[in-house]
Amino acid sequence: QSVLTQPPSVSGAPGQRVTISCTGSGSNIGAGYDVHWYQQFPGTAPKLLIYSHSNRPSGVPDRFSGSKSGTSASLAITGLQAEDEADYYCRSFDSSLSAVVFGGGTTVTVL
Amino acid sequence: EVQLVESGGGLVQPGGSLRLSCEGSGFTFSNYWLHWVRQAPGKGLVWVSRINNDGTSTSYADSVKGRFTISRDNAKNMVYLQMNSLRAEDTAVYYCTKDHGHNDWFDPWGQGALVTVSS
Repeated sequence: QSVLTQPPSVSGAPGQRVTISCTGSGSNIGAGYDVHWYQQFPGTAPKLLIYSHSNRPSGVPDRFSGSKSGTSASLAITGLQAEDEADYYCRSFDSSLSAVVFGGGTTVTVL
Repeated sequence: EVQLVESGGGLVQPGGSLRLSCEGSGFTFSNYWLHWVRQAPGKGLVWVSRINNDGTSTSYADSVKGRFTISRDNAKNMVYLQMNSLRAEDTAVYYCTKDHGHNDWFDPWGQGALVTVSS
């Protein structure tokens, strides 16, 4: 059971908007620790997608956006494309565990 | 180009030991914290361990504490993960990754090294 909770899967038609939630608690996201998002394609290493809640590294399309509110964070993909089919993970730090924590991951399927 | 390359994975029997290595290039290695993250087959990412820039501070997930040891050699741009008393549940791809700051975002990640614990 992951410290950060994500839905196992989300899906949408091409062009639609999908969101992935990442729910934490008062010892991680709620304590003010940053949330980062990673994208992973099968058989490859994870890649940084969003850092510090809402910032995109160079080269990441602007259809990806992140936000944070209270003890949760969200990743939104607008204008969904077939190439966005991948697993997405949120990540933060937990002060009670003194450990980096990940969400369980969400598989995005483009219908 | 900033790059991390892992090596040392393989098949090991339960109770055995293995040492993973990760070589960094394209950045000032001694300035950055480094982490190991693992992913069991078909499962999600799990943080394993981290080491600070000069090797004087380390941290471990409870699941590996007392069995795994992280270390680094800044002269060689290398970080290591010594894994002892290995169990079947340690079977995973192990990634090393560079911390932007102190428990900050991870970027980049190495390609991963597969460790299989089986008799």
